Amino acid sequence: ETGVTQSPTHLIKTRGQQVTLRCSSQSGHNTVSWYQQALGQGPQFIFQYYREEENGRGNFPPRFSGLQFPNYSSELNVNALELDDSALYLCATASGTGTGELFFGEGSRLTVL
Amino acid sequence: AQSVTQLDSQVPVFEEAPVELRCNYSSSVSVYLFWYVQYPNQGLQLLLKYLSGSTLVKGINGFEAEFNKSQTSFHLRKPSVHISDTAEYFCAVHTGGFKTIFGAGTRLFVKA
Repeated sequence: ETGVTQSPTHLIKTRGQQVTLRCSSQSGHNTVSWYQQALGQGPQFIFQYYREEENGRGNFPPRFSGLQFPNYSSELNVNALELDDSALYLCATASGTGTGELFFGEGSRLTVL
Repeated sequence: AQSVTQLDSQVPVFEEAPVELRCNYSSSVSVYLFWYVQYPNQGLQLLLKYLSGSTLVKGINGFEAEFNKSQTSFHLRKPSVHISDTAEYFCAVHTGGFKTIFGAGTRLFVKA
Protein backbone atom coordinates (compact mmCIF):
# COMPACT_ATOMS: atom_id res chain seq x y z
CA GLU A 1 0.00 0.00 0.00
CA THR A 2 1.80 3.11 -1.22
CA GLY A 3 -0.73 5.68 -0.03
CA VAL A 4 -0.79 7.36 -3.43
CA THR A 5 -4.21 7.37 -5.02
CA GLN A 6 -5.15 8.58 -8.47
CA SER A 7 -8.46 9.40 -10.07
CA PRO A 8 -10.10 8.64 -12.35
CA THR A 9 -8.70 5.18 -13.11
CA HIS A 10 -9.97 5.18 -16.67
CA LEU A 11 -11.39 7.83 -18.95
CA ILE A 12 -12.15 8.39 -22.61
CA LYS A 13 -11.93 11.78 -24.30
CA THR A 14 -12.06 13.03 -27.86
CA ARG A 15 -9.46 15.07 -29.69
CA GLY A 16 -9.40 18.73 -28.71
CA GLN A 17 -10.95 18.18 -25.29
CA GLN A 18 -9.31 18.93 -21.98
CA VAL A 19 -8.68 16.53 -19.10
CA THR A 20 -7.77 16.83 -15.43
CA LEU A 21 -6.19 13.96 -13.55
CA ARG A 22 -5.82 13.95 -9.78
CA CYS A 23 -3.36 12.51 -7.31
CA SER A 24 -3.34 12.44 -3.53
CA SER A 25 0.06 12.29 -1.91
CA GLN A 26 1.37 9.85 0.63
CA SER A 27 1.59 11.49 4.03
CA GLY A 28 4.82 13.43 4.49
CA HIS A 29 5.76 13.40 0.82
CA ASN A 30 6.12 16.98 -0.39
CA THR A 31 7.34 16.17 -3.89
CA VAL A 32 5.12 14.86 -6.66
CA SER A 33 6.04 13.91 -10.20
CA TRP A 34 3.89 12.99 -13.17
CA TYR A 35 4.89 10.46 -15.80
CA GLN A 36 3.35 9.42 -19.10
CA GLN A 37 3.61 5.75 -20.00
CA ALA A 38 2.60 4.93 -23.55
CA LEU A 39 1.75 1.33 -24.36
CA GLY A 40 4.83 -0.88 -24.34
CA GLN A 41 7.16 1.90 -23.18
CA GLY A 42 8.78 3.09 -19.99
CA PRO A 43 7.47 6.06 -18.02
CA GLN A 44 8.45 9.46 -19.44
CA PHE A 45 8.91 12.36 -17.02
CA ILE A 46 6.42 15.20 -17.50
CA PHE A 47 7.14 17.49 -14.56
CA GLN A 48 7.72 17.65 -10.83
CA TYR A 49 6.26 19.85 -8.11
CA TYR A 50 7.85 20.66 -4.78
CA ARG A 51 5.94 22.69 -2.21
CA GLU A 52 3.46 23.95 -4.82
CA GLU A 53 6.11 25.08 -7.31
CA GLU A 54 7.09 23.36 -10.55
CA ASN A 55 10.81 22.63 -10.18
CA GLY A 56 11.49 20.48 -13.19
CA ARG A 57 9.97 19.63 -16.54
CA GLY A 58 10.53 17.04 -19.21
CA ASN A 59 10.11 17.36 -22.95
CA PHE A 60 6.37 17.99 -22.97
CA PRO A 61 4.54 20.96 -24.53
CA PRO A 62 2.92 23.72 -22.46
CA ARG A 63 -0.54 22.22 -22.94
CA PHE A 64 0.56 19.82 -20.19
CA SER A 65 0.28 21.76 -16.96
CA GLY A 66 -0.09 21.00 -13.30
CA LEU A 67 -0.81 22.17 -9.82
CA GLN A 68 0.20 21.12 -6.35
CA PHE A 69 -1.93 22.08 -3.38
CA PRO A 70 -0.94 22.90 0.23
CA ASN A 71 -1.80 19.33 1.29
CA TYR A 72 0.65 18.15 -1.44
CA SER A 73 -2.07 16.62 -3.61
CA SER A 74 -1.70 17.38 -7.28
CA GLU A 75 -3.44 17.74 -10.62
CA LEU A 76 -2.29 17.16 -14.17
CA ASN A 77 -4.14 19.10 -16.84
CA VAL A 78 -3.86 18.41 -20.53
CA ASN A 79 -5.45 20.80 -23.02
CA ALA A 80 -6.23 20.28 -26.70
CA LEU A 81 -5.95 16.51 -26.46
CA GLU A 82 -4.27 14.63 -29.30
CA LEU A 83 -4.50 10.95 -30.20
CA ASP A 84 -0.89 10.45 -29.06
CA ASP A 85 -1.85 11.57 -25.56
CA SER A 86 -3.48 8.18 -25.06
CA ALA A 87 -1.42 6.60 -22.28
CA LEU A 88 -1.24 5.61 -18.64
CA TYR A 89 -0.52 8.68 -16.53
CA LEU A 90 1.34 7.91 -13.35
CA CYS A 91 1.68 10.08 -10.30
CA ALA A 92 4.67 9.44 -8.06
CA THR A 93 5.56 11.00 -4.74
CA ALA A 94 8.88 11.29 -2.99
CA SER A 95 9.89 12.12 0.53
CA GLY A 96 12.31 14.85 -0.51
CA THR A 97 15.45 13.04 0.62
CA GLY A 98 16.93 13.53 -2.83
CA THR A 99 17.56 9.85 -3.56
CA GLY A 100 14.90 9.66 -6.25
CA GLU A 101 12.95 6.81 -4.67
CA LEU A 102 9.41 7.11 -5.98
CA PHE A 103 6.09 5.84 -4.70
CA PHE A 104 3.60 5.35 -7.51
CA GLY A 105 -0.14 5.39 -7.73
CA GLU A 106 -1.94 2.90 -9.93
CA GLY A 107 -2.33 5.38 -12.73
CA SER A 108 -5.06 6.94 -14.83
CA ARG A 109 -5.53 5.38 -18.24
CA LEU A 110 -6.52 7.99 -20.79
CA THR A 111 -7.87 7.06 -24.19
CA VAL A 112 -8.23 9.82 -26.77
CA LEU A 113 -10.51 9.05 -29.71
CA ALA B 1 22.52 13.60 -20.21
CA GLN B 2 21.58 10.42 -18.45
CA SER B 3 20.11 7.42 -20.21
CA VAL B 4 19.06 3.88 -19.35
CA THR B 5 19.19 0.91 -21.70
CA GLN B 6 17.46 -2.34 -20.93
CA LEU B 7 19.07 -4.80 -23.25
CA ASP B 8 16.19 -7.27 -23.55
CA SER B 9 12.62 -6.29 -24.34
CA GLN B 10 11.30 -9.75 -23.48
CA VAL B 11 12.73 -12.61 -21.44
CA PRO B 12 10.88 -15.94 -21.47
CA VAL B 13 12.00 -18.42 -18.81
CA PHE B 14 10.69 -21.62 -17.28
CA GLU B 15 9.47 -21.71 -13.73
CA GLU B 16 12.20 -22.40 -11.12
CA ALA B 17 14.95 -21.40 -13.58
CA PRO B 18 17.32 -18.50 -12.85
CA VAL B 19 16.90 -15.19 -14.65
CA GLU B 20 18.94 -12.07 -15.30
CA LEU B 21 17.47 -8.84 -16.62
CA ARG B 22 20.14 -6.53 -17.96
CA CYS B 23 20.40 -2.79 -17.47
CA ASN B 24 23.10 -0.35 -18.54
CA TYR B 25 23.10 3.34 -17.81
CA SER B 26 24.97 6.40 -18.97
CA SER B 27 25.81 9.24 -16.63
CA SER B 28 28.70 11.59 -16.02
CA VAL B 29 27.86 11.95 -12.32
CA SER B 30 27.13 9.66 -9.43
CA VAL B 31 23.80 7.90 -9.64
CA TYR B 32 21.16 6.24 -7.58
CA LEU B 33 19.80 3.13 -9.27
CA PHE B 34 16.46 1.40 -9.00
CA TRP B 35 14.48 -1.54 -10.28
CA TYR B 36 10.69 -1.29 -10.33
CA VAL B 37 8.12 -3.95 -11.20
CA GLN B 38 4.78 -3.32 -12.89
CA TYR B 39 2.04 -5.91 -12.87
CA PRO B 40 -0.74 -5.64 -15.47
CA ASN B 41 -2.95 -2.60 -15.06
CA GLN B 42 -1.04 -1.39 -12.03
CA GLY B 43 1.47 1.29 -11.13
CA LEU B 44 5.15 0.68 -10.48
CA GLN B 45 6.41 -0.88 -7.26
CA LEU B 46 9.97 -0.59 -5.99
CA LEU B 47 11.89 -3.89 -6.09
CA LEU B 48 15.26 -2.65 -4.88
CA LYS B 49 17.58 0.33 -4.87
CA TYR B 50 21.27 1.16 -4.85
CA LEU B 51 22.13 4.39 -3.09
CA SER B 52 25.66 3.74 -1.80
CA GLY B 53 27.74 1.13 -0.01
CA SER B 54 27.65 -2.54 -0.91
CA THR B 55 27.32 -3.09 -4.62
CA LEU B 56 25.10 -6.14 -4.15
CA VAL B 57 21.63 -5.12 -3.10
CA LYS B 58 18.76 -7.36 -2.15
CA GLY B 59 15.13 -6.52 -2.71
CA ILE B 60 11.69 -7.95 -2.31
CA ASN B 61 10.47 -11.27 -3.69
CA GLY B 62 13.97 -12.79 -3.74
CA PHE B 63 15.41 -10.40 -6.33
CA GLU B 64 18.90 -8.93 -6.12
CA ALA B 65 21.00 -6.64 -8.28
CA GLU B 66 24.67 -5.79 -8.57
CA PHE B 67 25.98 -2.30 -9.25
CA ASN B 68 29.05 -2.35 -11.49
CA LYS B 69 30.47 1.14 -11.81
CA SER B 70 33.17 0.28 -14.33
CA GLN B 71 30.66 -1.34 -16.67
CA THR B 72 27.88 1.12 -15.78
CA SER B 73 25.52 -1.77 -15.26
CA PHE B 74 22.87 -2.73 -12.73
CA HIS B 75 21.61 -6.18 -13.69
CA LEU B 76 18.71 -7.77 -11.85
CA ARG B 77 18.81 -11.45 -10.92
CA LYS B 78 16.69 -14.09 -9.28
CA PRO B 79 17.93 -17.66 -8.73
CA SER B 80 14.53 -19.32 -9.15
CA VAL B 81 11.50 -17.61 -10.68
CA HIS B 82 7.84 -18.26 -10.06
CA ILE B 83 4.84 -17.85 -12.31
CA SER B 84 3.86 -14.86 -10.18
CA ASP B 85 7.05 -13.04 -11.26
CA THR B 86 5.56 -12.52 -14.71
CA ALA B 87 5.50 -8.75 -15.08
CA GLU B 88 7.24 -5.76 -16.66
CA TYR B 89 10.49 -4.69 -15.01
CA PHE B 90 11.95 -1.21 -15.27
CA CYS B 91 15.45 -0.05 -14.48
CA ALA B 92 15.76 3.61 -13.46
CA VAL B 93 18.50 6.12 -12.68
CA HIS B 94 18.40 9.28 -10.58
CA THR B 95 21.28 11.73 -10.29
CA GLY B 96 20.02 13.91 -7.47
CA GLY B 97 18.27 16.34 -9.76
CA PHE B 98 14.57 16.54 -10.25
CA LYS B 99 13.85 13.59 -12.47
CA THR B 100 14.27 9.86 -12.63
CA ILE B 101 14.93 8.32 -16.04
CA PHE B 102 13.42 4.94 -16.82
CA GLY B 103 14.42 2.30 -19.30
CA ALA B 104 11.96 0.96 -21.85
CA GLY B 105 11.24 -2.10 -19.73
CA THR B 106 11.78 -5.84 -19.92
CA ARG B 107 8.82 -8.14 -19.98
CA LEU B 108 9.56 -11.26 -17.94
CA PHE B 109 7.35 -14.18 -18.94
CA VAL B 110 7.57 -17.23 -16.69
CA LYS B 111 6.34 -20.45 -18.25
CA ALA B 112 5.12 -23.52 -16.38
